Amino acid sequence: RKEVEQDPGPFNVPEGATVAFNCTYSNSASQSFFWYRQDCRKEPKLLMSVYSSGNEDGRFTAQLNRASQYISLLIRDSKLSDSATYLCVVSDDMRFGAGTRLTVKP
Amino acid sequence: NAGVMQNPRHLVRRRGQEARLRCSPMKGHSHVYWYRQLPEEGLKFMVYLQKENIIDESGMPKERFSAEFPKEGPSILRIQQVVRGDSAAYFCASSPPYRRGEQYFGPGTRLTVT
Repeated sequence: RKEVEQDPGPFNVPEGATVAFNCTYSNSASQSFFWYRQDCRKEPKLLMSVYSSGNEDGRFTAQLNRASQYISLLIRDSKLSDSATYLCVVSDDMRFGAGTRLTVKP
Repeated sequence: NAGVMQNPRHLVRRRGQEARLRCSPMKGHSHVYWYRQLPEEGLKFMVYLQKENIIDESGMPKERFSAEFPKEGPSILRIQQVVRGDSAAYFCASSPPYRRGEQYFGPGTRLTVT
């Protein structure tokens, strides 16, 4: 089993849709989790941290499920500009998922 | 406050040559990370350095690759005797102390081996 696993997608959704991605991890001792966004051929950019209690930033919500060892990212009211690849990372091991590609269409 | 800087942005080398990639972290950041990304693939961790110390090099190939972060100057990722399979984007990131997951990436160096 890969250390950090993501559904590669692509997820193709219409504007305004709600979309969710999951990311599973294998190291049960992991403590720190983050979501990054990467646009085509650009560098990744930190999107948000994932806290045990979950956290929300505008249209984005990140959650952690320790029992099942996954983190999730929910995007509400999708915008065209949300089109990108979303990477999860388990900070303790410096392991990035391969990314989930999202395309939001008009 | 300048972000993470990498140079060169594009580097072309013939097989057998050496490639040197440079990374200057954000001001105030003492932790540097190097990643490799092959086309259509995810980021692969290579090495984590602090000033004058290699903290974790578990992702570095055993041969031909080395990294340093001297007391003065940028971090350097060095690839000796490059092969075609080394062609990739190499990203550097830096983070504040004690916040390893909060990484800020440079624009990357795209290495092409011909």
